[in-house]
Amino acid sequence: AQSVTQLDSQVPVFEEAPVELRCNYSSSVSVYLFWYVQYPNQGLQLLLKYLSGSTLVKGINGFEAEFNKSQTSFHLRKPSVHISDTAEYFCAVSAALSGNTPLVFGKGTRLSVIA
Amino acid sequence: GAVVSQHPSWVICKSGTSVKIECRSLDFQATTMFWYRQFPKQSLMLMATSNEGSKATYEQGVEKDKFLINHASLTLSTLTVTSAHPEDSSFYICSARVPGQDSPLHFGNGTRLTVT
Repeated sequence: AQSVTQLDSQVPVFEEAPVELRCNYSSSVSVYLFWYVQYPNQGLQLLLKYLSGSTLVKGINGFEAEFNKSQTSFHLRKPSVHISDTAEYFCAVSAALSGNTPLVFGKGTRLSVIA
Repeated sequence: GAVVSQHPSWVICKSGTSVKIECRSLDFQATTMFWYRQFPKQSLMLMATSNEGSKATYEQGVEKDKFLINHASLTLSTLTVTSAHPEDSSFYICSARVPGQDSPLHFGNGTRLTVT
């Protein structure tokens, strides 16, 4: 079974400052890793994913994340945030990309960008 | 890109009534759909896995007689909350994966259910 830990439930940051949202996972098998963003009363939008290959993955809206197998981490970063980045961010893990394999989510991190 | 449509986006119902939520894959056929539930300011918890043409697989602790899932076609799965109670008030989100591809899940926009 897989599990995801998002270490920070809330992260306030000033506009144009850098931000890092932390994510650690646990799994006995190889996994695929994802970051999703959720705006109020909406579904989830995929920010980026790690499937294989380069451990640094770039996503939409200027976000990037680095897969670190030894530390079982997949932290999300953005060098300069905007007010519009205020949202809930979820890290997720999956043991497969097909069939009946769902995503397992962390508890989420609320990013609040302050003007 | 793959689109998953969920309807309604919000619904208010009285205690004791039933509510149906639809999840459609608009531009692909989804043999499997997943239903999640999200409590306020919490994460998404998997409720059940819906397979086209067969019974859904429910997660431990989810009442299958209360949360009826039907996946009658390759593009439609429905979740019916039967005899709803205020504690069923929540945000319900469906998701699906494009078959035959190594792809992430695509999510609907969710349904906010309020039971009064």
